[in-house]
Amino acid sequence: QVVLVESGGGVVQPGGSLRLSCAASGFSFSSYAMHWVRQAPGKGMEWVAAISDDGNNKYYGDSVQGRFTVSRDNPRNTFYVQMNSLRDEDTAVYHCVKSHRAVAVPGYFDFWGQGALVSVSS
Amino acid sequence: QSVLTQPPSASGTPGQRVTMSCSGGSSNIGSNTVNWYQQLPGTAPRLLIYKNNQRPSGVPDRFSGSKSGTSASLAISGLQSEDEADYFCAAWDDNLNVLFGGGTWLT
Repeated sequence: QVVLVESGGGVVQPGGSLRLSCAASGFSFSSYAMHWVRQAPGKGMEWVAAISDDGNNKYYGDSVQGRFTVSRDNPRNTFYVQMNSLRDEDTAVYHCVKSHRAVAVPGYFDFWGQGALVSVSS
Repeated sequence: QSVLTQPPSASGTPGQRVTMSCSGGSSNIGSNTVNWYQQLPGTAPRLLIYKNNQRPSGVPDRFSGSKSGTSASLAISGLQSEDEADYFCAAWDDNLNVLFGGGTWLT
């Protein structure tokens, strides 16, 4: 079965950096696009970023454009997001999400991870 | 505030049929398909409905989706206690961003 496990969350000061990882198993990782979706406390879901199956195409939400970078290591079945210049409003649970197709956009999300909590606070 | 609008709560009794709405605009729901997700307390979200009205394998046929114009609906028939969860909709917009509803908590 598909399993997505996020790691790397924690507490970071405003302006700091953090890298989240997502370990994937149970499917042919290199054949599918991947996404990060976050949920701030008490708020709805917000799409963060996406990457195509081969890593050549990347897409970002307006609120993280220029600060976050997604990447993937297909031989290691791992997906990443590097988060720089973090702000208070980046505090959220970050979910690793599998797309149903190889192309990153558009598409629907067929499997989600439990999420990793990122807290930006001084 | 979420771009797609959902009522914050809904309720029903076992066996009943409930519906919940998701309202958007011409650049999102009006021109793209809608997907629905269920999130049980303490668990990862699960895909319930894709492309407006398609059910993934393993999702009971008690769950159904529809779309008309700039709105979509999720219906659950034969309500069961284990259906108590948060339900949220999602759709792409014409600028290639995914938009989500704020979620409807079903009691």
